[in-house]
Formats: sequence, structure tokens, C-alpha cells
Amino acid sequence: GAGVSQSPSNKVTEKGKDVELRCDPISGHTALYWYRQSLGQGLEFLIYFQGNSAPDKSGLPSDRFSAERTGGSVSTLTIQRTQQEDSAVYLCASRPGLAGGETQYFGPGTRLLVL
Amino acid sequence: AQTVTQSQPEMSVQEAETVTLSCTYDTSENNYYLFWYKQPPSRQMILVIRQEAYKQQNATENRFSVNFQKAAKSFSLKISDSQLGDTAMYFCAFMKRGTTSGTYKYIFGTGTRLKVLA
Repeated sequence: GAGVSQSPSNKVTEKGKDVELRCDPISGHTALYWYRQSLGQGLEFLIYFQGNSAPDKSGLPSDRFSAERTGGSVSTLTIQRTQQEDSAVYLCASRPGLAGGETQYFGPGTRLLVL
Repeated sequence: AQTVTQSQPEMSVQEAETVTLSCTYDTSENNYYLFWYKQPPSRQMILVIRQEAYKQQNATENRFSVNFQKAAKSFSLKISDSQLGDTAMYFCAFMKRGTTSGTYKYIFGTGTRLKVLA
């Protein structure tokens, strides 16, 4: 079956512009995670959706970052008024959900470059 | 707070040789999961192997195996018969339960860049 997909693959934007990054999880996966990976660094947790529960937003670095997940499937990460320090790879991962499946499956990421 | 430490930023190994990547973690929990992920230059994170903390037997997946020492909170990855395609960034990850029942969060180490030499 299809894996996690993300779009766009690469995004170049100017400082101050808003960007939207999209994630399509594996069908049936109820848990969805967003991470940020700066150049040569590990993964920084941003936000976590689990079913219909309120998302865990504890990793969002500022109020310029927001995310939503419509219909329990596709998720969009929005960065408003982008800054150069937002340049990074943004990874999305999904997981089967509460009943089991502790393994996350990752998408290929979106590389964001803010000029 | 839980932490995951990978103390080797970079390593190299000759093709066909064996290499071990180290990972230590800190937690007060008793039940958890540990993972090794591989991230090649293509950027796609791929699961290499996982270990349930309640299982004493070390996980093995073909050429990849772990040495899980629960008391020492150590979770090293051994790659046998290294291949050029093993060249990648390797991340160790710890899964912990979230504050809401049934939720899980993951903490990643900073990674080890492995280069397999021909």
C-alpha cells in the first residue's frame, strides 16, 4: 500500500511569507506527527494528532506555527511570516493508533528554504 | 525528562566489516519501546529495528541486531557485513506514553552519520 506522502517536496519562500506543508498519512492510521529537522540535526517534535483528541502542540516553537488535521486524515502544517531560522526539513509520520502499532512510518519530508 | 544520547556523531566502517552504533537513554518508565531508524541521503526515514523493553531477547533483523541492556539503559545497534547501501544517518528513538491514555510520543537522538567505505 501507499506510504506517507508529503507535498511539496521542496519549497523556497521569501522571509515574511506564509507557507503550507501537506501530509497524507497511511490510510487508517489515526496518529500523525510533525517533526522539524534542521541541517545535520536530530528530529524536533512539533505536534501530534491522535484520533479525535485535542492535538499535543507542546513542540510548536512559536505562535507562527499551526497545524490542523481534517477528517482524521490529511494534515497541514502552516508557518506564518516565515523567518530564515525556519529553514529545515519538515517530516511527517503516522502510526496505526491506539490498538497497537508502536512504529512510526515517515514521509519523505518537505525541505523548506526561507530566503 | 526522558533523553536519548548518541555519543558518536560520525563513524566509518570498511565494507563487509561490523560496526556498532551506541545509544543510551534515560527514563523512569518500565514499559517502553526503542527504535533505530536509518535516514539515507534521500531523506526518507526507514525503520531498521525495534525493541520492546519487556522482552529480554535482543531484536534481530537480518544483518542488524541490537544489544539491549535495560538496567544500563543502553541500546546499541550492530551492523554486520556492512554494505555501501548502509551509508546513512542513524537515529535512535525512545517511545514514551503521553499524558493522555493511549497516546505515544517519541524522543530522538541527534544521530550518528555512518559511512561505509569500499
